[in-house]
Amino acid sequence: DVVMTQSPLSLPVTLGQPASISCRSSQSLVHSDGNTYLNWFQQRPGQSPRHRIYKVSDRDSGVPDRFSGSGSGTDFTLNISRVEAEDVGVYYCMQGTHWPRTFGQGTRLEIK
Amino acid sequence: EAQLVESGGGLVKPGGSLRLSCVATGFSFSDNGMSWVRQAPGKGLEWVSSIGRSGTSIYYADSVRGRFTISRDDAKKSLYLQLNSLRAEDTAFYYCVRDRYNLDIWGQGTLVTVSS
Repeated sequence: DVVMTQSPLSLPVTLGQPASISCRSSQSLVHSDGNTYLNWFQQRPGQSPRHRIYKVSDRDSGVPDRFSGSGSGTDFTLNISRVEAEDVGVYYCMQGTHWPRTFGQGTRLEIK
Repeated sequence: EAQLVESGGGLVKPGGSLRLSCVATGFSFSDNGMSWVRQAPGKGLEWVSSIGRSGTSIYYADSVRGRFTISRDDAKKSLYLQLNSLRAEDTAFYYCVRDRYNLDIWGQGTLVTVSS
């Protein structure tokens, strides 16, 4: 199975400051069709997870442009340019390239 | 608006069974793969099972293979998960999710509690 490793696991951030979450996979996430199916999810307290970014860097409709994804191969990053109060929650990366689908452990973003 | 609504969760004794259901609205259910993802209270996300369009491809996590069965009824726009031989470690919120490599639409979840 592909192991997804996130860091840090806890991320205190001051409002208006940037935040960055790393996600590394134990093998390449490049699919045979040429796409890299690396996704990011946000889970606010008491809510279901929400899909935010797909194929490394494509934002879902309605996702603020302060969220951006980058990376390739086995090394990926979620960046938030200026953290707002509504960004609090746990962020998960997930690979959809290989079976079984696997998630990172989650990174808890909190306001400092 | 695309939406998924799960039902069927509850309290069950170890070794018992339960059937979860999920109804889809707002998108073409038959054109999409679907998955179940679970989350134990206070823990992270764990993929459980997936089924492709028309049910042609089915996958299970090792932790549930042989005990859980995923199925779909495109006429009813519904996804199912039959849970047998339940264990305490199966206690979790179970989410129904649209799966196009990206798990982009999630239901609100249904809680399964396995306890004597």
